Amino acid sequence: GENVEQHPSTLSVQEGDSAVIKCTYSDSASNYFPWYKQELGKRPQLIIDIRSNVGEKKDQRIAVTLNKTAKHFSLHITETQPEDSAVYFCAAFMFSGGYNKLIFGAGTRLAVHP
Amino acid sequence: KAGVTQTPRYLIKTRGQQVTLSCSPISGHRSVSWYQQTPGQGLQFLFEYFSETQRNKGNFPGRFSGRQFSNSRSEMNVSTLELGDSALYLCASSTGEDWEKLFFGSGTQLSVL
Repeated sequence: GENVEQHPSTLSVQEGDSAVIKCTYSDSASNYFPWYKQELGKRPQLIIDIRSNVGEKKDQRIAVTLNKTAKHFSLHITETQPEDSAVYFCAAFMFSGGYNKLIFGAGTRLAVHP
Repeated sequence: KAGVTQTPRYLIKTRGQQVTLSCSPISGHRSVSWYQQTPGQGLQFLFEYFSETQRNKGNFPGRFSGRQFSNSRSEMNVSTLELGDSALYLCASSTGEDWEKLFFGSGTQLSVL
């Protein structure tokens, strides 16, 4: 089936701490895993993505790791700041029912407290 | 470069009516995808259009349909509206080659009364 599980659903951290969000996916053939950030009342925006031929990718304070064997991937945010507060969605690109689809996790609401 | 534009921003309809939403992609993007976002179900994939053809589809009933024009603008139609159709409808555009790399619009908030 097509499924992406995301944990935790809510995450509260102090400014400067690290935050980690984890996702697991069902289709072992999935090969593309993006992360989107959605601030309150705004559109989802792509913040980082990774393809299945690499295990880790970094962009300043954010990084994504992928474990294909275990079918899970994680978002790491270091030195969190209040402006990192948002809902974060992971997604996996998969082929299901004869069609290509980008399946999203349920989201993680991150709150960074000053 | 202008971003993805969705109109209208808000809509209020009653059960049984139909509604049409519009999406203009980023200039040069040929793929448009539609998603339904609700607090309980998250982001659910509706369908994707490329070069005026529906190329991929999700698991929504036939009441949800769409089309794409030669200028890549897309419309989504929902017929016989139900209360459960109340949601934020997001469209996203991409180049088409890497259609999975999505750039979202701000959405149309549909309320069905």
